[in-house]
Amino acid sequence: DTAVSQTPKYLVTQMGNDKSIKCEQNLGHDTMYWYKQDSKKFLKIMFSYNNKELIINETVPNRFSPKSPDKAHLNLHINSLELGDSAVYFCASSQGSGNTDTQYFGPGTRLTVL
Amino acid sequence: KQEVTQIPAALSVPEGENLVLNCSFTDSAIYNLQWFRQDPGKGLTSLLLIQSSQREQTSGRLNASLDKSSGRSTLYIAASQPGDSATYLCAAPEYGNKLVFGAGTILRVKS
Repeated sequence: DTAVSQTPKYLVTQMGNDKSIKCEQNLGHDTMYWYKQDSKKFLKIMFSYNNKELIINETVPNRFSPKSPDKAHLNLHINSLELGDSAVYFCASSQGSGNTDTQYFGPGTRLTVL
Repeated sequence: KQEVTQIPAALSVPEGENLVLNCSFTDSAIYNLQWFRQDPGKGLTSLLLIQSSQREQTSGRLNASLDKSSGRSTLYIAASQPGDSATYLCAAPEYGNKLVFGAGTILRVKS
């Protein structure tokens, strides 16, 4: 049973393209997140949604747009991809949006922009 | 603004050794602190979450401590095994459920 799943696992694309990464959680959680881990392995939050509403939006280029069709899904759409977007993107979920909620992470999507 | 630092950046030990990983954070007004494990090519696995009201949290051979006043947490691994080899990440909240991660400690346990 996969708690938090992401597709695809690997994504290689050309600069300027538009791509999406999908995330699904089957834990019944209310809150979902997107994190970016760069080449230096720093993991930083990008977005957080609670019950389909945006609650955290870090300083991320507006080329990145999260979309939450329902509580169990949070997809990440990226327009006009740039070389610097190459990273591993992790989706996560937690029961609530409180600071006592453990976050559960997906396996990551390695994005390579050529 | 919360900043999280982990020391050492990398650690190589022989099997069976007890070891300590260190994490420090700048904003001590935290409700909890979380330790994660990351295996190559895989996601993060939550190991331990310590609430601010707790001093320690234990899971098997892992013991995590939290000292808010000094802005420090340690992860103690007893009787290390090759299967413990991974990157260990510490994360402290900045506000709400926004986690700020350290750069991690890469652990290698040699058999």
